[in-house]
Amino acid sequence: EVQLVESGGGLVQPGGSLRLSCAASGFTFSIYWMHWVRQAPGRGLVWVSRINPDESSTSYADSVKGRFTISRDNGKNTLYLQMNSLRAEDTAVYYCARHGSGSSGFDPWGQGTLVTVSS
Amino acid sequence: QSALTQPASVSGSPGQSITISCTGTSSDVGGYNYVSWYQQHPGKAPQLMIYDVSNRPSGVSNRFSGSKSGNTASLTISGLQAEDEADYYCSSYTSSTYVFGTGTKVTVL
Repeated sequence: EVQLVESGGGLVQPGGSLRLSCAASGFTFSIYWMHWVRQAPGRGLVWVSRINPDESSTSYADSVKGRFTISRDNGKNTLYLQMNSLRAEDTAVYYCARHGSGSSGFDPWGQGTLVTVSS
Repeated sequence: QSALTQPASVSGSPGQSITISCTGTSSDVGGYNYVSWYQQHPGKAPQLMIYDVSNRPSGVSNRFSGSKSGNTASLTISGLQAEDEADYYCSSYTSSTYVFGTGTKVTVL
């Protein structure tokens, strides 16, 4: 079964840092583009970042550029999101998602991990 | 990276058809055939329903269909069922990044 499981969320103070992880199983992780998408409480989906299979290409939303870093460890089948200089507006559920094979859709998604930025 | 525009809510009776629009620009929806649609039930992760404008992943009901004209994409749900009540989001590729729509709450009356 194809599965993505996020972890690492929690409560952090403004200006703090957090690293999210996304453990992949049931597919050949090393050949897929991967994404992070977030959803603030009661709000819509917002794309955050993506990374290609060999880490040679990454992209970020303007709202996180320079503060967040996406990375992966293909040997551990794990995707990461390092989040620095966190702000209250970064509070959200963070989902990892696999980019479709030969398609533009994101499928599947993990269950999400909640990040709360508050003092 | 402005969000794509969707109606806040759409409703229909069981068995009816409804259509959700997703309006962007020539830099996103109009510029690429890379529009996807996602269904999200409360407290759950989103699920891919349509990719590349009009393609359905295996396992998704053929009651769901997608199309695009110019800068506007559309998702049609035919034969509306109670289980279709959820939030729906469109998404488009745009120059190395992606943008989601504002989201539409579908209510089955």
